[in-house]
Amino acid sequence: AQTVTQSQPEMSVQEAETVTLSCTYDTSESDYYLFWYKQPPSRQMILVIRQEAYKQQNATENRFSVNFQKAAKSFSLKISDSQLGDAAMYFCAYRSDWGGSQGNLIFGKGTKLSVKP
Amino acid sequence: DVKVTQSSRYLVKRTGEKVFLECVQDMDHENMFWYRQDPGLGLRLIYFSYDVKMKEKGDIPEGYSVSREKKERFSLILESASTNQTSMYLCASSFSRRQGGTYEQYFGPGTRLTVT
Repeated sequence: AQTVTQSQPEMSVQEAETVTLSCTYDTSESDYYLFWYKQPPSRQMILVIRQEAYKQQNATENRFSVNFQKAAKSFSLKISDSQLGDAAMYFCAYRSDWGGSQGNLIFGKGTKLSVKP
Repeated sequence: DVKVTQSSRYLVKRTGEKVFLECVQDMDHENMFWYRQDPGLGLRLIYFSYDVKMKEKGDIPEGYSVSREKKERFSLILESASTNQTSMYLCASSFSRRQGGTYEQYFGPGTRLTVT
């Protein structure tokens, strides 16, 4: 079974600085998707960034980028120029692309990011 | 924009009561999901549905049931609420494989259920 591990329960960053959140996963599959979700204190979970495993190029969305290392099964999220609004719980998630899969996401336990002004 | 709504943001129920949590999405998604979120445990899948009247158990289905009579609506039922079911409940939806798309799940705002 696939597992997702976020080894940093809490992280802190100074406003305007850069922070990297770690995520590792375990799978025997070769085709899959990886996601980072953000859950601000208001609780609505929103998608931050998505990476398809078959793509070698790391995904980027404005100030958010990932470092996807397929062989190492690592998927870290880098937030540049951190803003107060980035403070949230961040969840890493895995989705199999196997034909028999119905699309479940497997989540890590989350990293709580604080941003200091 | 995709919109996933949940019937209540906060709910307080007594032990033994039957509880209904409802979720509605407006994007014609075939897949719908119910998660439970607890501090330090992340999100755990309770049930999911990949079509009307179709359902499959997730990781923690005990004490819960679900109903999907219409494509846009997915209900979570606690037949007899217990204090250990006090939690945050999140609903999500996504396109299925046959619908294509990029497979990310869209979440509702959550329901904070307290069972006393």
